[in-house]
Amino acid sequence: SQQGEEDPQALSIQEGENATMNCSYKTSINNLQWYRQNSGRGLVHLILIRSNEREKHSGRLRVTLDTSKKSSSLLITASRAADTASYFCATDGETSGSRLTFGEGTQLTVNP
Amino acid sequence: DTAVSQTPKYLVTQMGNDKSIKCEQNLGHDTMYWYKQDSKKFLKIMFSYNNKELIINETVPNRFSPKSPDKAHLNLHINSLELGDSAVYFCASSGAARGYSPLHFGNGTRLTVT
Repeated sequence: SQQGEEDPQALSIQEGENATMNCSYKTSINNLQWYRQNSGRGLVHLILIRSNEREKHSGRLRVTLDTSKKSSSLLITASRAADTASYFCATDGETSGSRLTFGEGTQLTVNP
Repeated sequence: DTAVSQTPKYLVTQMGNDKSIKCEQNLGHDTMYWYKQDSKKFLKIMFSYNNKELIINETVPNRFSPKSPDKAHLNLHINSLELGDSAVYFCASSGAARGYSPLHFGNGTRLTVT
């Protein structure tokens, strides 16, 4: 079964608003990572949160992790049109060996 | 300087042909990967090499053969291409074989099989 499912699948907001994307996973993890993918480009790493961490910040990004609910959220504050992209969570499962497992992504559109 | 570069960016070919995609990273990483992204943007790992040694080989048809001549290069050769092979293929690298090291991706190769 797929590890890491994002919700919603698509999100459209206005510039300046906050965007929240959620990720749920099924098995125990060592860490969870968020990536961004602009159209026609490769994925870019945004932030990594370890299983013993609950919250992490990086600029306008805030990531939370709730291991009891097996879920994570990515909050982008004061969104900009340049934030338009697909956002993926990826989990490093405790029993997954060397592989990161990606979710299906959330397509975020920020309207100017 | 591009950290992970793959060529070609676009590849259009007919069924039954054999093609290769090349990948090079200049980050000094020991681990490299091939991922396949389908039309729904689902990303699935295919192979992983650590210092030229194959460490992950997912359930991929044996028409796909990775080759790592050195730890900075990981190429993907595909024999007897099929329509279902159409996808975007991403090369990536990381500083560690375990998943606690972020992945650095190339910009992808869009393969279209007609």
